[in-house]
Amino acid sequence: AQKVTQAQTEISVVEKEDVTLDCVYETRDTTYYLFWYKQPPSGELVFLIRRNSFDEQNEISGRYSWNFQKSTSSFNFTITASQVVDSAVYFCALSDILGGGSYIPTFGRGTSLIVHP
Amino acid sequence: AAGVIQSPRHLIKEKRETATLKCYPIPRHDTVYWYQQGPGQDPQFLISFYEKMQSDKGSIPDRFSAQQFSDYHSELNMSSLELGDSALYFCASSLQGLAGNTIYFGEGSWLTVV
Repeated sequence: AQKVTQAQTEISVVEKEDVTLDCVYETRDTTYYLFWYKQPPSGELVFLIRRNSFDEQNEISGRYSWNFQKSTSSFNFTITASQVVDSAVYFCALSDILGGGSYIPTFGRGTSLIVHP
Repeated sequence: AAGVIQSPRHLIKEKRETATLKCYPIPRHDTVYWYQQGPGQDPQFLISFYEKMQSDKGSIPDRFSAQQFSDYHSELNMSSLELGDSALYFCASSLQGLAGNTIYFGEGSWLTVV
């Protein structure tokens, strides 16, 4: 069973719109970590944020904010006032111990965000 | 700050040839991971090393092997290449023991098999 679900395959917005990327995860572990990575057209994977399962405090970093809700197993990512440079594929990832000996991130399928000028 | 360094960035090989990718982790990081990302796909975990010992194994084909050396750099060796091996290969590194083991990725090595 897929452990990380990013139901939105592609999102298209116009610059300055707010956009939320959804991430739903599945794990039986009580200690786990969630990540968001950005992959621009050039291909590299850029780390954006890490959240552990014991910290449900939401986080804001500039135009980026993250909403972690254990009750719904979701870790959503919002970009406020989107810009063309935000165009990229965004991956949500889950790291847990079950199924392996150490924390290895499993990625969702990614959401392609296209921001039009 | 120093990041994960991968080489070569681009590689073109013919079917049945062999390819070797190199990875230099962030200084003082003790864990190296290899991921494969096919076109339009999410990154798939191949293998990881902790302190030069293999620690976890994912969907790495038997034709592939990897190792981590005394200086902590790692190499991914791919033999009998197939067209389906064409992908972006990521190396990543982390420091075990820190909560969350944040994994930082290199820029990737593009392998094209023709």
